[in-house]
Amino acid sequence: KNEVEQSPQNLTAQEGEFITINCSYSVGISALHWLQQHPGGGIVSLFMLSSGKKKHGRLIATINIQEKHSSLHITASHPRDSAVYICAASPNTGNQFYFGTGTSLTVIP
Amino acid sequence: DAGITQSPRHKVTETGTPVTLRCHQTENHRYMYWYRQDPGHGLRLIHYSYGVKDTDKGEVSDGYSVSRSKTEDFLLTLESATSSQTSVYFCAISKSVNEQFFGPGTRLTVL
Repeated sequence: KNEVEQSPQNLTAQEGEFITINCSYSVGISALHWLQQHPGGGIVSLFMLSSGKKKHGRLIATINIQEKHSSLHITASHPRDSAVYICAASPNTGNQFYFGTGTSLTVIP
Repeated sequence: DAGITQSPRHKVTETGTPVTLRCHQTENHRYMYWYRQDPGHGLRLIHYSYGVKDTDKGEVSDGYSVSRSKTEDFLLTLESATSSQTSVYFCAISKSVNEQFFGPGTRLTVL
């Protein structure tokens, strides 16, 4: 049983396309996180959300608490956006994160 | 960037040998975590620490032990490495349960 599910698992897009990655979770959360991991690289935090919407450059993250669903959008995608995007939930009880299995994004020039 | 380092960054070892990975932080954060990352599984928690000498097991703790004798260091030990423990290991730190900062990772190969 996975507390956090992501879709799609793999995604290929042409440069300039609008991209959406989805995340559903089944636990009560205090926050939802989007992380980015470049090939062979470390893991960096993009967003931490507890409600609504956040924007950073071409990246937008939204969350619907009632539906237990979050989306990460990338506008005007670029080859440097190619990475694995990971959704993670910090539950409102306990001190462990639950991680999705990640979405591998490839943006083709 | 959070001050967190892992050593070694790469290691190749043989089945049956002991291996210790080190996570070092300069942030004085209370919580420290060890994860392994494998294709198709995402990040899975091995052990975590909520203070000096205070540790607890995660979902994949079998075959691993940890120690935290100082705030800044969290050690992960494979007492007798097996090929199934070939993986990329990430350390993470946090000062609250709502955020985690990840180290650069250690790629371990057990032959």
